[in-house]
Amino acid sequence: EAQVTQNPRYLITVTGKKLTVTCSQNMNHEYMSWYRQDPGLGLRQIYYSMNVEVTDKGDVPEGYKVSRKEKRNFPLILESPSPNQTSLYFCASSFGTSGRNSYEQYFGPGTRLTVT
Amino acid sequence: KQEVTQIPAALSVPEGENLVLNCSFTDSAIYNLQWFRQDPGKGLTSLLLIQSSQREQTSGRLNASLDKSSGRSTLYIAASQPGDSATYLCAVKGTAAGNKLTFGGGTRVLVKP
Repeated sequence: EAQVTQNPRYLITVTGKKLTVTCSQNMNHEYMSWYRQDPGLGLRQIYYSMNVEVTDKGDVPEGYKVSRKEKRNFPLILESPSPNQTSLYFCASSFGTSGRNSYEQYFGPGTRLTVT
Repeated sequence: KQEVTQIPAALSVPEGENLVLNCSFTDSAIYNLQWFRQDPGKGLTSLLLIQSSQREQTSGRLNASLDKSSGRSTLYIAASQPGDSATYLCAVKGTAAGNKLTFGGGTRVLVKP
């Protein structure tokens, strides 16, 4: 089954403790992206990757890191999480190596992160 | 800067009634528009994708129209069912780098039995 998977689905952690949220897709998509969803602010893009070893900042990259060493995986790293990073996180993927294409984007099930 | 608006924010209808959900966007230079469904605390399920060159797209009881020049899209759900209760989000893919989708705030739909 074609899908985007995220792990963990739920995570409660404390301020400053490094964590990684994994994202994997089995559709051979070049493009992958991370969004966060907050009440009243909607979904906002954090980082994106056009292909292996090609990443760039989205609208709200502060406090996050990403890497793209393999085509299928795009982990989101919070080196020193803070309470303002409590949110619902979504990974997305699609075909296309260009920033200007019209392919459909597929989303993972989400990771609910709470930082205390 | 692209802005996407969905009005109303919430909608309640009796079962069987047709649903009409609205989405408006400020910049008509888009590649496509996607409609998603989100159940509480869950992920986003893609419902329909309309390319910028298309006027409408249909899937089962769902029909989405796109009027790029006026910056509007409408999602129609025929003969609503309680299982259609969810939040519906529209998102446009503009010409900015990064393949970013700009999302509306969503319309929360409740279909009453």
